[in-house]
Parts: sequence; structure tokens; C-alpha cells
Amino acid sequence: GAVVSQHPSRVICKSGTSVKIECRSLDFQATTMFWYRQFPKQSLMLMATSNEGSKATYEQGVEKDKFLINHASLTLSTLTVTSAHPEDSSFYICSAALGTTDTQYFGPGTRLTVL
Amino acid sequence: AQSVSQHNHHVILSEAASLELGCNYSYGGTVNLFWYVQYPGQHLQLLLKYFSGDPLVKGIKGFEAEFIKSKFSFNLRKPSVQWSDTAEYFCAVNRGSGTYKYIFGTGTRLKVLA
Repeated sequence: GAVVSQHPSRVICKSGTSVKIECRSLDFQATTMFWYRQFPKQSLMLMATSNEGSKATYEQGVEKDKFLINHASLTLSTLTVTSAHPEDSSFYICSAALGTTDTQYFGPGTRLTVL
Repeated sequence: AQSVSQHNHHVILSEAASLELGCNYSYGGTVNLFWYVQYPGQHLQLLLKYFSGDPLVKGIKGFEAEFIKSKFSFNLRKPSVQWSDTAEYFCAVNRGSGTYKYIFGTGTRLKVLA
């Protein structure tokens, strides 16, 4: 149980285009979903916290207009990287919190490469 | 600011050696503590967690961790590692019930030599 999927697993795009990444909780309803960014050989950096039906809460230094988060249902959150640039190339990981247990379950990640 | 420290960035062990990975946090209030493992090319998986009760927590794959409140520590241990334990290990802390946001440690890369 507690499986989280992400799609796509890899994406390559041209500079200036927008990319959407989906995060789904497959076998549970996630009260809260999170988006992280992981740089090579570094830890996970929280970008934003997303609650179903409300606006995402962004961490300090994360541009909300660049990283659009939509949490339309209890099983789906999307991250859209708008007008992507090479510096946005990274590994993006989502997680979902299972009810009130405070435990996060992680998706497999999406490797974004912006040319 | 709250922080989570993992002192060992890289650890190399031979099979059957014992493992202890350190994790210290700076927050003084009620915390929930987690250890995750990330095998090469795979997503983070929960190894074990501590919310309350017995400070010695047993997780999957023979791992355990001990919460020592006075030392703000939550060290991960395994008596005898296997080659398949080669992975990156992350400690994470959140600030108690209802606050899901994690603060992650920087991670420890473990390599087990066959």
C-alpha cells in the first residue's frame, strides 16, 4: 500500500517551454502532497506543500509563478514548470501524506532536462 | 532555523560489518523522526519512523534506530550489512502531529563491498 506514481519519469524540453509533471497517490487519498527538488548528490529541498482544493504554500525562494502547483483531487497534484530554462534542470520528486499519520510516501521522481 | 545533520556523508563497509549512521536535529519541541533509503535508480522508501513510545524502533530489512531525546539524535543501526544495502540514507524530522513538512538531512551514501 501507499504507492505514489509520477509521470513522466524523464522529460527533455527546449528553453522557454512549459512542462507539466503529475503526481498520483494510487491506493490512498492524500491529504497533502509535497514537491521537492533534488540536486545531484544533495538532499531533497522542499519546494511547496499542496493541499487539495487550496493554494499551495511555497517555501522561501521558490517562485510561485514559475512553479505552478495544482491539487485538483485527493489523488492528483501537478507541478508545471513554466518557461523552463537550463537552470531548472533537476530531479523533481513528489510525496503524499497518508491521512493524519504524518508519514510521507514518495514518488519515483521526474528527471527534467532543459536544453 | 531548524536543521537536521547527518555527519557521515560517505560510508564504505564490508559485508557483515555493523552499521551506525548518525542523525541529529536542532528542533526542541515534539518531533516525529524518519529514516528513508534510496536505492540506486529508485524512489525513497520508508525504513522506519518514530512518533512516540519505545525509543528503540525496528524497521524493515533488519534496520533499527534509537531516539535519544537528550542528545537530539536518531541514529540508524544494522548489525550486519549486506551488499544490497548499498544506497543513500536520509534522516528526516517533522514537527509533530498535523505538521507534515519534513526537514531532511543531507544524506549518507553507503557502499557495501561484497
